[in-house]
Amino acid sequence: SQKIEQNSEALNIQEGKTATLTCNYTNYSPAYLQWYRQDPGRGPVFLLLIRENEKEKRKERLKVTFDTTLKQSLFHITASQPADSATYLCALGGNSGYALNFGKGTSLLVTP
Amino acid sequence: DGGITQSPKYLFRKEGQNVTLSCEQNLNHDAMYWYRQDPGQGLRLIYYSQIVNDFQKGDIAEGYSVSREKKESFPLTVTSAQKNPTAFYLCASKKKRDRAYNEQFFGPGTRLTVL
Repeated sequence: SQKIEQNSEALNIQEGKTATLTCNYTNYSPAYLQWYRQDPGRGPVFLLLIRENEKEKRKERLKVTFDTTLKQSLFHITASQPADSATYLCALGGNSGYALNFGKGTSLLVTP
Repeated sequence: DGGITQSPKYLFRKEGQNVTLSCEQNLNHDAMYWYRQDPGQGLRLIYYSQIVNDFQKGDIAEGYSVSREKKESFPLTVTSAQKNPTAFYLCASKKKRDRAYNEQFFGPGTRLTVL
């Protein structure tokens, strides 16, 4: 069955460092992958989308890579700030009506 | 402001009761979705609708029902048949139903607790 795995343990890093979050998938051949940010008690917010023919995508301090051979996406936040503390979800195209299949998310805590 | 609204923010239900969660969007989006999120879990798809008067079951539709009588509205009813309804419910919409790459816009969520 299709499976999406994200780091289950929270990631704690110091302000100014680069945070790297991992999303691995199995039994999937996604045409694209999306990353969302979710703050406690709120709905996810779209951050970036990367397509299968793209190796890397950047948006301000964010960078996403997509390796379809390794079946993995890496999400980087450079020069991290305490305001970046949140849960980050990766999502792949699902089988139904272009709904998304989400990973469980990785919690990021950036300390001053 | 354009966006998705969900109400209520918190909802308490007694066992055996049906409750309806509201989801409204003024983004003129075609597709709408309902997800359920449990602590430490990813979002799971309950129902989705790609066009008015049409909707499809997602991965965990048992015990839930929906309607899509208007483009902007997609209410979710949690019936008494849903054995474990306590969860955080998220509604989302997408601009074009046939464009896989479109991002999804999420509402603020409704937290349902069964007493």
